[in-house]
Amino acid sequence: KQEVTQIPAALSVPEGENLVLNCSFTDSAIYNLQWFRQDPGKGLTSLLLIQSSQREQTSGRLNASLDKSSGRSTLYIAASQPGDSATYLCAVGGQAGTALIFGKGTTLSVSS
Amino acid sequence: GAGVSQTPSNKVTEKGKYVELRCDPISGHTALYWYRQSLGQGPEFLIYFQGTGAADDSGLPNDRFFAVRPEGSVSTLKIQRTERGDSAVYLCASSLSLAGGELFFGEGSRLTVL
Repeated sequence: KQEVTQIPAALSVPEGENLVLNCSFTDSAIYNLQWFRQDPGKGLTSLLLIQSSQREQTSGRLNASLDKSSGRSTLYIAASQPGDSATYLCAVGGQAGTALIFGKGTTLSVSS
Repeated sequence: GAGVSQTPSNKVTEKGKYVELRCDPISGHTALYWYRQSLGQGPEFLIYFQGTGAADDSGLPNDRFFAVRPEGSVSTLKIQRTERGDSAVYLCASSLSLAGGELFFGEGSRLTVL
C-alpha cells in the first residue's frame, strides 16, 4: 500500500529565503506526482504535475523534482514571500486510472 | 463551469440524519473524485468515477456512504445515518481523464454532525 510522507510538518522562514519541502513515497511504481497548495478553510490549488517520465517541472518561483528510484520529490520555493504561507500537499498517482494518495502536508509560514 | 463547484459549503446536521453533498465538475472533465479531509490530515480517497460508473469505490468507509453520477457530470455523495465521526471536509475534484491528468479541486463541503 502506497504511503506518502512529508517532512517537515511545519516550517517558518523569513521573507526572501529559498526553501525546500520534501515528499517521500514507499512504492516507486508511480504514474505521476502532483503538488498542491491549500489555504486555511479552502480547497486545494494545483501547483505542479510531474509525470513519471519527467525529472522536474517549473512554474515561476516553484520547481518540483522527482526521483522515482529513491521515492522522493522536492518542492523548491525561491525568494519566499508572506503570500506563500499555506499548507503544501504532495500526492502520488499509482497507475493510470487510480486516485492520488496524499501526504499530510507541510505548513509553511513566511514572515515579513 | 469555470471551476469545480461544491454545495453546500457548510452543513450542520444531527446524528442519525441523512445528508447529500453535491459536486459540479469542470465542464468536459470525465473523471470525478471524492475525498474526505479531517483537521491536520491530508485528503483521504473515497471514490472516483469515469463517466457515469464508479471506477473505484474502495475508499468508502462503510455502506452508509454512497455516491452517484447518473449523467456523467454532477455527482452526489450520500451519507445515511450520520455519525459524529463523519464530521470532516468533503472535497471533490475533476480531471480531463483518468489517464494521469491534473486534478482540480473544489472548495469543499464542511460537514458537522452534532
